[in-house]
Amino acid sequence: SQQGEEDPQALSIQEGENATMNCSYKTSINNLQWYRQNSGRGLVHLILIRSNEREKHSGRLRVTLDTSKKSSSLLITASRAADTASYFCATDENQGGKLIFGQGTELSVKP
Amino acid sequence: IAGITQAPTSQILAAGRRMTLRCTQDMRHNAMYWYRQDLGLGLRLIHYSNTAGTTGKGEVPDGYSVSRANTDDFPLTLASAVPSQTSVYFCASSLTRADTQYFGPGTRLTVL
Repeated sequence: SQQGEEDPQALSIQEGENATMNCSYKTSINNLQWYRQNSGRGLVHLILIRSNEREKHSGRLRVTLDTSKKSSSLLITASRAADTASYFCATDENQGGKLIFGQGTELSVKP
Repeated sequence: IAGITQAPTSQILAAGRRMTLRCTQDMRHNAMYWYRQDLGLGLRLIHYSNTAGTTGKGEVPDGYSVSRANTDDFPLTLASAVPSQTSVYFCASSLTRADTQYFGPGTRLTVL
């Protein structure tokens, strides 16, 4: 069963706009991670937020975590065409250490 | 080798044949994983290994086996391939089981 579920499934925006993707999960976690996957390639880790953190930044990325709602969001500011990719959240289900991935959000940034 | 590699890049296989997908990492990571990625189903964990000499079952282990004889290598074997095993397979590793995972480039497997 899927632990993380991303929303929306697909998102299309213009270059320069912000992109927000959401992730919901079901069980208690130690951390939540976001990954990016370019078409035909492996996943690349973007950012990890621990359960005792509420917000984290990395460059143009901002991740929030609300453990009371069991949800997280990934914000990409001032998007670029090169940000076009699929974005996945992953959580350690029941704090067991194994990552469970959501189905991803497919982001398309049009120049 | 820099990071994590997989071989082959792609393979077409007749049903019933045996196939081993190779995965090697040079980061001295303790934990390694095998996932399959299918359209509409995301990534699903097949098997994992928390440290050399140990393995565990993931979400979809049936039809697959793994071994972890040393830290660097984590081969995935399909004893008798079936068409439903057509997928893209990703190997990953992490320093410990709860850390950031680093992914290989994937193996695209087609079983006819």
